[in-house]
Amino acid sequence: AQSVAQPEDQVNVAEGNPLTVKCTYSVSGNPYLFWYVQYPNRGLQFLLKYITGDNLVKGSYGFEAEFNKSQTSFHLKKPSALVSDSALYFCAVTPQIGDDKIIFGKGTRLHILP
Amino acid sequence: GAGVSQSPSNKVTEKGKDVELRCDPISGHTALYWYRQSLGQGLEFLIYFQGNSAPDKSGLPSDRFSAERTGGSVSTLTIQRTQQEDSAVYLCASSEGSINQPQHFGDGTRLSIL
Repeated sequence: AQSVAQPEDQVNVAEGNPLTVKCTYSVSGNPYLFWYVQYPNRGLQFLLKYITGDNLVKGSYGFEAEFNKSQTSFHLKKPSALVSDSALYFCAVTPQIGDDKIIFGKGTRLHILP
Repeated sequence: GAGVSQSPSNKVTEKGKDVELRCDPISGHTALYWYRQSLGQGLEFLIYFQGNSAPDKSGLPSDRFSAERTGGSVSTLTIQRTQQEDSAVYLCASSEGSINQPQHFGDGTRLSIL
């Protein structure tokens, strides 16, 4: 069965510093991987996805994520954090072949400290 | 263009009453999903519609929960004989149908059972 893990419930980063939000996954075969962000009282917003090709994927708001097949990870990164990046971040995975249901991680709350 | 629309945005009802939650997906999106989110936590999958196929109901927590999607567009999630543990935010999402396409979320219905 496929699964996705976000090992940190909360990440605190000072404004201007680089940030990383971790995600590891387990699927049969090759994965499709996604990151979403949720602001208070809003639905999830798509940030970026990995389908195939270049392991470094760039997305909205200056975020990027690196697909690492050997470590089965897809960590979200940003070179310089903004206070407005404070939100709840979800990693999601689905296998390219087989079950077409996407699995979401439990979320990581990101706090950017001014 | 218009995004996913959910109504009502908030619903307060007494224990034992039935409630209906509505989702208007993005026009042309063949896939529609319902999730439940408790207190800013992770997403719990409820049900998935894809085109004219039979829905995947594997996430519905009890037979008090049901959903339908009329004409491949609007969907209604019905909860019968509501219980206090049903209190949560119910999120709807739609996508173009292919599993490598991102989901587009509505802002949810916040359901409170008194």
